[in-house]
Amino acid sequence: GQQLNQSPQSMFIQEGEDVSMNCTSSSIFNTWLWYKQDPGEGPVLLIALYKAGELTSNGRLTAQFGITRKDSFLNISASIPSDVGIYFCAGQLDRGSTLGRLYFGRGTQLTVWP
Amino acid sequence: DAMVIQNPRYQVTQFGKPVTLSCSQTLNHNVMYWYQQKSSQAPKLLFHYYDKDFNNEADTPDNFQSRRPNTSFCFLDIRSPGLGDAAMYLCATSRERFGQFFGPGTRLTVL
Repeated sequence: GQQLNQSPQSMFIQEGEDVSMNCTSSSIFNTWLWYKQDPGEGPVLLIALYKAGELTSNGRLTAQFGITRKDSFLNISASIPSDVGIYFCAGQLDRGSTLGRLYFGRGTQLTVWP
Repeated sequence: DAMVIQNPRYQVTQFGKPVTLSCSQTLNHNVMYWYQQKSSQAPKLLFHYYDKDFNNEADTPDNFQSRRPNTSFCFLDIRSPGLGDAAMYLCATSRERFGQFFGPGTRLTVL
């Protein structure tokens, strides 16, 4: 199956710093998604990307769908304590029996020091 | 607000005692998914319904079954829970290929 490599595995930053994380795949995806998960809660969809080259922002978050369709990155600007959590990338296919199936990265654990 | 609801949020069961987890959605999405998530790992897909069509992942144990009586509801049945089935169980929905929306999860403890 498709393997997603998400890096870094963990980040320790100071409040106010910018954050960047990325995801690469050996296979092409039609959709890239970025989720944030707080302890004991389900993942929350942050940004969805549907087109190669697409750059989308959601507040302080910016994500891009790579031109090759095999990668995506997520940037968080001016981090704040509530940004703490695990960030997952996910690639999605939209054809055949794999319709809608997500392939997840291993997650990036973000810690923000005040 | 349109949402995905999971009940209960916390479930404790005994080894071998059947348990049912429920999920409901007000998003009117045609696809519903069940995931298992263990500590420090990404969610692992167990199965999904595309409308009424059931799709089982090849490595999902027979111990896990699902029912979707209508568009809004989906159930996860664990027939004989083992200690290794203790995990967070997540329900998600989507409309066709567009992004999946997750519920808050049910934390299952097996004693």
